[in-house]
Amino acid sequence: GNSVTQMEGPVTLSEEAFLTINCTYTATGYPSLFWYVQYPGEGLQLLLKATKADDKGSNKGFEATYRKETTSFHLEKGSVQVSDSAVYFCALRKGGGFKTIFGAGTRLFVKA
Amino acid sequence: GAGVSQTPSNKVTEKGKYVELRCDPISGHTALYWYRQSLGQGPEFLIYFQGTGAADDSGLPNDRFFAVRPEGSVSTLKIQRTERGDSAVYLCASSPSSSPNTGELFFGEGSRLTVL
Repeated sequence: GNSVTQMEGPVTLSEEAFLTINCTYTATGYPSLFWYVQYPGEGLQLLLKATKADDKGSNKGFEATYRKETTSFHLEKGSVQVSDSAVYFCALRKGGGFKTIFGAGTRLFVKA
Repeated sequence: GAGVSQTPSNKVTEKGKYVELRCDPISGHTALYWYRQSLGQGPEFLIYFQGTGAADDSGLPNDRFFAVRPEGSVSTLKIQRTERGDSAVYLCASSPSSSPNTGELFFGEGSRLTVL
């Protein structure tokens, strides 16, 4: 079946450090891929998305590239800020479907 | 504008009791989803509505769980004979798009259910 696997947290970084959160997926067909973020005390919100192979989603300095050959969608940011501290969820939606499947989430702590 | 609203934000109940959780989606959103998030896990799909009808309820864990959306807007998730294992955060999301592939989900802040 369809599934998403992301690296376990927590990830603790100093401000201005480089961030990578790994995400791989299993799916038939051509899913759309998403990163959602949950800030403390808030609901999940979409951070970025990519709908086909080699697409790059980007937002707020975060980027992720849809790699079909490695079935990956790793999240990166060149210089993290304290305000980026949150839980990040990788997710997929199968092509033609409506059900979004989420990974377990990765908690990020950024220290000043 | 108003986002997805969920009530109550917190609910503590005793084992065996009946619980209702309410979701008020963003106005005009035709698609509505319920998810369940256990501690340390990602959201787990429960049910999806398109308009008034449940298009897919395959994620409901058993027949103690039921959801309705009678007028195509507000939805209620109903849990009968609650068990301690039902304790989780229940998330509601809505979407304006009937196009599945690119649809962004707009989440509420969730209803935290604790079954003692």
